[in-house]
Amino acid sequence: DARVTQTPRDKVTEMGQEVTMRCQPILGHNTVFWYRQTMMQGLELLAYFRNRAPLDDSGMPKDRFSAEMPDATLATLKIQPSEPRDSAVYFCASGSYSGRGYNEQFFGPGTRLTVL
Amino acid sequence: KQEVTQIPAALSVPEGENLVLNCSFTDSAIYNLQWFRQDPGKGLTSLLLIQSSQREQTSGRLNASLDKSSGRSTLYIAASQPGDSATYLCAVRAGGYNKLIFGAGTRLAVHP
Repeated sequence: DARVTQTPRDKVTEMGQEVTMRCQPILGHNTVFWYRQTMMQGLELLAYFRNRAPLDDSGMPKDRFSAEMPDATLATLKIQPSEPRDSAVYFCASGSYSGRGYNEQFFGPGTRLTVL
Repeated sequence: KQEVTQIPAALSVPEGENLVLNCSFTDSAIYNLQWFRQDPGKGLTSLLLIQSSQREQTSGRLNASLDKSSGRSTLYIAASQPGDSATYLCAVRAGGYNKLIFGAGTRLAVHP
């Protein structure tokens, strides 16, 4: 049963600390997305990778957030330094893209981040 | 700018009822539309994906329709069950770009 996995599932940290969230996309998927969900803003796209290359990170605060794909099986989202307003659930999703277009996105269980 | 609206925001129905959830979007130039289910504290589960060239998709008791010209999609749930209780989200993918724009969701409660 292929699924997107995320670690950690929960993270509580203090303001100013570095936070790293990890995602393992479904094997064979070539697109990876990072979303943030809050009660006020709903679901927002932070970053998007295709074939490990970042194609869009316009939704991400550049000064503190960074997203990378060191290899096809790992995507990371890093916040440094973290702030209380970063508290949210962060979702990773993966999907496939071919010459015929984009297919469904499959979501991981999310990382619930609390910054005190 | 694409905006997605879902109505109603919340819905409570008795078990067995057929129900319709609505999704509207402002820019009809979409690539496809996807319906998701989210249980409390969980991630999103994909229910149905409708390509822009399609009018509807069915999966079990679920049927989703798409009317691109009017900027609307509906999710029809037949014979609702308590296990259907969740938040249902629709998301549109803008043409030529893979960014999903989400609605705020409809919170559904089906009571026995």
